[in-house]
Amino acid sequence: EAQVTQNPRYLITVTGKKLTVTCSQNMNHEYMSWYRQDPGLGLRQIYYSMNVEVTDKGDVPEGYKVSRKEKRNFPLILESPSPNQTSLYFCASRYSGGGNQPQHFGDGTRLSIL
Amino acid sequence: EDQVTQSPEALRLQEGESSSLNCSYTVSGLRGLFWYRQDPGKGPEFLFTLYSAGEEKEKERLKATLTKKESFLHITAPKPEDSATYLCAVLLRAGNNRKLIWGLGTSLAVNP
Repeated sequence: EAQVTQNPRYLITVTGKKLTVTCSQNMNHEYMSWYRQDPGLGLRQIYYSMNVEVTDKGDVPEGYKVSRKEKRNFPLILESPSPNQTSLYFCASRYSGGGNQPQHFGDGTRLSIL
Repeated sequence: EDQVTQSPEALRLQEGESSSLNCSYTVSGLRGLFWYRQDPGKGPEFLFTLYSAGEEKEKERLKATLTKKESFLHITAPKPEDSATYLCAVLLRAGNNRKLIWGLGTSLAVNP
């Protein structure tokens, strides 16, 4: 089954404790992306990757890191999480080609930073 | 400033009561418009892509249309399982790249 898998689905942690949210896709998609979704602000892109070893900032990259060492994986790293990073996070992937390919989303990771 | 606005924010319908959701946009260089459905606790699920004014796409009880300023998602004779948040996103040209701007969504509840 074609899918984007995120882990963990839920996490409660404390300020400053490094965490990683993993994302894996099995569709051989070149493009992968991370979003956060907040009430009243909608979906905002954090980082994206056009292919292996190619990453770039989205609209709200501050406080986040990513890496793309393999085509299927795109982890999101919070080196020193802060309460304003409490949010619902989504990983997405799609084929390349002008940006007009639809994205496939994971089921989300709800992060609470205390 | 490029902007995407969805209305209404929330809509409650009786089963079988048809209606339309609106996605209006003020952008330069439209390259496409997407509709997604999002269920609680899930990620957005792709429904349609529209590329040019006058284009229409249909899937079961849903029909999406596009003009030069807005898109409509028409829901005909909805059922309770159509309850979800519907998101639209506009793809525009941004220099040499493409950029996706998301609306805030319309939360639809269909009562049996």
